[in-house]
Amino acid sequence: AQRVTQPEKLLSVFKGAPVELKCNYSYSGSPELFWYVQYSRQRLQLLLRHISRESIKGFTADLNKGETSFHLKKPFAQEEDSAMYYCALADNFNKFYFGSGTKLNVKP
Amino acid sequence: GAVVSQHPSRVICKSGTSVKIECRSLDFQATTMFWYRQFPKKSLMLMATSNEGSKATYEQGVEKDKFLINHASLTLSTLTVTSAHPEDSSFYICSAGGGVSYNEQFFGPGTRLTVL
Repeated sequence: AQRVTQPEKLLSVFKGAPVELKCNYSYSGSPELFWYVQYSRQRLQLLLRHISRESIKGFTADLNKGETSFHLKKPFAQEEDSAMYYCALADNFNKFYFGSGTKLNVKP
Repeated sequence: GAVVSQHPSRVICKSGTSVKIECRSLDFQATTMFWYRQFPKKSLMLMATSNEGSKATYEQGVEKDKFLINHASLTLSTLTVTSAHPEDSSFYICSAGGGVSYNEQFFGPGTRLTVL
C-alpha cells in the first residue's frame, strides 16, 4: 500500500529561523515525490518535485530512499511562507497520494 | 503554470437533489483528470481518476453510482453527486495532468458543497 506520512500538523517558527517539514513515505516501487503548498484562500500549487532537484522560494527537499523520507527544508523562514504544505507521492500509474498536511506558521 | 477552473465555487442544495461540478483545463489538454475530496483539517482523498473518452477509475470505498464522473473532452470533466445527503457535504477539488508536464498535476480552486 502507498502511504505518505506528515507527522506534524502544525509547525510554528520565528522569522529567520530554519524550518523542516517532515515527510515519510512507503511504496514498493519507484515513486515520485512532490511538495505542494496552499496559501490562505488559494488553490493547491506545486512547490517542488524530487526529480527536479531545484530550490524554489528557498525551499529544498532531498529524497532519501534509505530513510524513505522527503523532508522539506528552508534555512531562513519568512512570514510569507506561512501556509499549508502537503507532501505527495505519485506511483507508477500517475496516481497521487497526499499526506495529511502541515500548517507552517512563521511568526514575526 | 497551467490553469484549471472549477464551477461552481460554492453550492448549497437540498437533500435528495443532484449537483454537477465542472472542472476545466483552460490552456492545455488534460488527458487525465483527478477528483479529490477534502474533509476539514484533513488531507485530500483521491476519489477517482478520469481519462478522456473512457470510464473513470474509482478508488476503493467510493460509490460509482453516487459520484458520476464524465470526461467527454480533453478540457472538461464533470462530477455529479447524485441524490446528495448531508454527509456528502465537503470540499471537492479536481486536478488535471498529462498534457503539460509528465506526472505533474494542476489543481482547481475547489468547490464547497453543502447539503441541507
